[in-house]
Amino acid sequence: QVQLVQSGAEVKKPGSSVKVSCKASGGTFGSNTVTWVRQAPGQGLEWMGRIILIFGSANYAQKFQGRVTITADESTSTAYMELSSLKSEDTAVYYCARDGLKTSALDYWGQGTLVTVSS
Amino acid sequence: EIVLTQSPGTLSLSPGDRATLSCRASQSVSSNYLAWYQQKPGQAPRLLIYGASDRAIDIPDRFSGSGSGTDFTLTISRLEPEDFAVYYCQQYGSSPPFTFGPGTKVDVK
Repeated sequence: QVQLVQSGAEVKKPGSSVKVSCKASGGTFGSNTVTWVRQAPGQGLEWMGRIILIFGSANYAQKFQGRVTITADESTSTAYMELSSLKSEDTAVYYCARDGLKTSALDYWGQGTLVTVSS
Repeated sequence: EIVLTQSPGTLSLSPGDRATLSCRASQSVSSNYLAWYQQKPGQAPRLLIYGASDRAIDIPDRFSGSGSGTDFTLTISRLEPEDFAVYYCQQYGSSPPFTFGPGTKVDVK
């Protein structure tokens, strides 16, 4: 059973960048993709983008194009999400999740990383 | 981009009641790749249903999904105390972005 362990909470200044990591226990994600989803306080889930592990290529939601970069290092079974030009509206919990090979849906999720953007 | 609409926004029910949650897509969802997730406060979402109607591992059979094309339903046959939560649908069938609906909160009447 895979576990996704994310890096700890971050406090950032407006205009700066944040990089959140997501490490799969057991040495492999066991999936085709890793997706990043965020949730602002009291709000719903927002799909940010995903990386296709075998190709190392990523797709991003239009809203985040040019500001987000998703990468993965399969040698360490770790995925990363970097968000730049941070604004206060980026304050949210950021989740990584993997798609199941059988389900193709997001069957395992990280615990979430709170990113607070404040001057 | 496929837009998902969920209704109602809030469902106030009692334990033992039947819950029926709706998810409507702005265009047909490819291969019925529609999932339902449950989220409780302070927790990550949990996959309940994938492929519109298949239960994920360890999900009780009181949860069922149905629908195709643009209209999908999550039914909880008899609400248990632990089922009071927010439920999200997500489409993952066509090309990205794989959007989520705004959620339906099931709370205690």
